[in-house]
Amino acid sequence: GAVVSQHPSRVICKSGTSVKIECRSLDFQATTMFWYRQFPKQSLMLMATSNEGSKATYEQGVEKDKFLINHASLTLSTLTVTSAHPEDSSFYICSARDSEGVGETQYFGPGTRLLVL
Amino acid sequence: GQQLNQSPQSMFIQEGEDVSMNCTSSSIFNTWLWYKQDPGEGPVLLIALYKAGELTSNGRLTAQFGITRKDSFLNISASIPSDVGIYFCAGQRRGGADGLTFGKGTHLIIQP
Repeated sequence: GAVVSQHPSRVICKSGTSVKIECRSLDFQATTMFWYRQFPKQSLMLMATSNEGSKATYEQGVEKDKFLINHASLTLSTLTVTSAHPEDSSFYICSARDSEGVGETQYFGPGTRLLVL
Repeated sequence: GQQLNQSPQSMFIQEGEDVSMNCTSSSIFNTWLWYKQDPGEGPVLLIALYKAGELTSNGRLTAQFGITRKDSFLNISASIPSDVGIYFCAGQRRGGADGLTFGKGTHLIIQP
């Protein structure tokens, strides 16, 4: 199946700093990528939809100025958590939709665990 | 954000037993998906359902898309130790351009 990678796999940062997370589709092109957040022992919650070449669409309650999304190419989307605080500590997971694939399948990355001290 | 109603929350079963879990929603979804997530990893797609009433199998797994488009179930037959993990249902409203709405998950624990 299609492969999606994320980098870094885990990151620890100080409160107030910014952290960038990359999501790459390795063997397919993705005009649409999605960013999810998962707190411990909870489900995945959609944060935003990232569209190549246009602005991201954010879900209600997600601050667009805090979670900056850039989808600069058909294989790369980045999520930057700006001025991170301890409450931003979470598991961030991206998914990518195969633009030329059959069906509506989204392929998930392995996730990035963020810990803000 | 909205979440789907997934049950049971957890299951403790003996190896070899069959497993059944389901998801319901108050609104219609055009696609239902079932994922398995191991600790510290991203979800892995198990089965995708695209038509109301569709019954699809993947090895020991069988899932159905409810006629009303507001529910789905997943069955696992003859469970084995590697089936342990958290299973999530997910719904998609309009198609591939939409993000997924997830259930709260079913934690499957298998006793040998």
